[in-house]
Amino acid sequence: EDQVTQSPEALRLQEGESSSLNCSYTVSGLRGLFWYRQDPGKGPEFLFTLYSAGEEKEKERLKATLTKKESFLHITAPKPEDSATYLCAVQAYYGGSQGNLIFGKGTKLSVKP
Amino acid sequence: GAGVSQTPSNKVTEKGKYVELRCDPISGHTALYWYRQSLGQGPEFLIYFQGTGAADDSGLPNDRFFAVRPEGSVSTLKIQRTERGDSAVYLCASSLLPADTQYFGPGTRLTVL
Repeated sequence: EDQVTQSPEALRLQEGESSSLNCSYTVSGLRGLFWYRQDPGKGPEFLFTLYSAGEEKEKERLKATLTKKESFLHITAPKPEDSATYLCAVQAYYGGSQGNLIFGKGTKLSVKP
Repeated sequence: GAGVSQTPSNKVTEKGKYVELRCDPISGHTALYWYRQSLGQGPEFLIYFQGTGAADDSGLPNDRFFAVRPEGSVSTLKIQRTERGDSAVYLCASSLLPADTQYFGPGTRLTVL
């Protein structure tokens, strides 16, 4: 069964304190791994897509990496505005897949000034 | 350009009533997805449309749930005989092509009393 597990469930950081969020997955054929940010009361906002092991993507203070079993979202020198829930999702390839995403439960990040 | 929009933003109904939730995808996007998100959980797939047809409805929990996309653009999720367990945020997402990056709307918060 395709599955996504995110850890930790919650993470509290001081402003400027770098850290990483983990997303481990099991899927029968990975088409893509997606990271989204979700603020309270809003829909998920797209951050990154990773397709193959070894791939890395960066955007401002965020950097996503991918291995064959997990992905990391590295946050460098975070600011309070980075506080949000970060969702990881996988898209499986079944040869003509419909493309639906399988999400983890998310990591709730709080950055204190 | 305009993103995915969903109406209403909030819907409160009584147990046993019928509700309709609307999704306007990004213009030109052929694929449309519905997800449901309960508190503290990641979004869960409900149904996927490619054009006007439901290509995959394997995530619909039971036959009280139904969705349509008659002209290949706007979609409506319909829930009959609502139950308290249907209370959740219903998210809509669209992508240019199947398996492309999905962009989410703000969601409709459904509360069944």
